[in-house]
Amino acid sequence: GAVVSQHPSRVICKSGTSVKIECRSLDFQATTMFWYRQFPKQSLMLMATSNEGSKATYEQGVEKDKFLINHASLTLSTLTVTSAHPEDSSFYICSASHSYEQYFGPGTRLTVT
Amino acid sequence: AQSVTQLDSQVPVFEEAPVELRCNYSSSVSVYLFWYVQYPNQGLQLLLKYLSGSTLVKGINGFEAEFNKSQTSFHLRKPSVHISDTAEYFCAVRAGEKLTFGTGTRLTIIP
Repeated sequence: GAVVSQHPSRVICKSGTSVKIECRSLDFQATTMFWYRQFPKQSLMLMATSNEGSKATYEQGVEKDKFLINHASLTLSTLTVTSAHPEDSSFYICSASHSYEQYFGPGTRLTVT
Repeated sequence: AQSVTQLDSQVPVFEEAPVELRCNYSSSVSVYLFWYVQYPNQGLQLLLKYLSGSTLVKGINGFEAEFNKSQTSFHLRKPSVHISDTAEYFCAVRAGEKLTFGTGTRLTIIP
């Protein structure tokens, strides 16, 4: 089946620094990837849709200058949380679209201290 | 716009008992329906999906769901649960490429 990886699985960073999360489709090409955020005991909230070779489409209320998304190749999308603050601490999950389905990565736990 | 309602936030069930997790949706267009399972600190795994055809769909781990268009429901069922089924279950609808998730149901299996 289609496999999506994320790196790192966990990251702790200091307030004010930036952190990059990678999302890779390992055995298929994905023109479209998605980034979600999940708060404890809550559902997944779509942050943005990442399209290869073009600008990401952000959902309402998501700061595009804070959550930078780059989809430079058909197998890699990155999410950079800039000037992170404790309220950015969350579980970030990516997915990649393939054959009318979304395949999810294992998630990245971000903790901002 | 689409929305998904999972009325039960938590469902405790005795081991080997049957379970039903409820999901209702609303949409102004035709949708595809999905159930995902999430184990602690992991991503989502697809359990089953309804795209078209038979309204009863079977998925992995012995789960099945029935699409009911008139009641706009897509309830998930399993005839006999196991301890390993303890997890969070999310119902989702897709219109276009976007997925809209319900708030999730925490299934707890009681030994």
